[in-house]
Amino acid sequence: SAVISQKPSRDICQRGTSLTIQCQVDSQVTMMFWYRQQPGQSLTLIATANQGSEATYESGFVIDKFPISRPNLTFSTLTVSNMSPEDSSIYLCSVTGIRVDGEKLFFGSGTQLSVL
Amino acid sequence: GIQVEQSPPDLILQEGANSTLRCNFSDSVNNLQWFHQNPWGQLINLFYIPSGTKQNGRLSATTVATERYSLLYISSSQTTDSGVYFCAVRTGGSQGNLIFGKGTKLSVKP
Repeated sequence: SAVISQKPSRDICQRGTSLTIQCQVDSQVTMMFWYRQQPGQSLTLIATANQGSEATYESGFVIDKFPISRPNLTFSTLTVSNMSPEDSSIYLCSVTGIRVDGEKLFFGSGTQLSVL
Repeated sequence: GIQVEQSPPDLILQEGANSTLRCNFSDSVNNLQWFHQNPWGQLINLFYIPSGTKQNGRLSATTVATERYSLLYISSSQTTDSGVYFCAVRTGGSQGNLIFGKGTKLSVKP
């Protein structure tokens, strides 16, 4: 598997502000995804980060709220905009297409976000 | 969309015991994976297993795609096995995302 570095690991933010989460992989990957895990819940896909083009968002998630960038094959950012307490969750970067593990999904260590 | 049901939702074991976790899905799949989320939140990929049987140490998994279920076996459980186990699937014919079940929370007592 690859090393997937995600930062920050946690943050406490004020309502109405924005936070950008970074995800760096130590090798080129095919696909990069952003998931959200609300407290005590399962994982929900926010969007697929497409290299050099707009991300593909899942139902219930919009670009204005969760803008995503992926400038190359190893890096992506997720911004949580105009935050409210309902955005308090763990946000996870994940990837597939790592060498011989092509179909397996690997996760970063996550960003624990608390919004006051 | 596809439904993914995991059972049991919670499981408490004594160290050394064996357990079987189940994942049922409502449609044909071309991708099924099992994950372990440890108590610190890190998600580890255990198996990519759209069909057949695989083993990795004390863990093994079997997917019977025609009957739409997968099983994860944990033998001689250890306290470090505690956490939440997730099954995730992708429907056949789709190149889309994985759909996660709600998980099985496992607690292994010393």
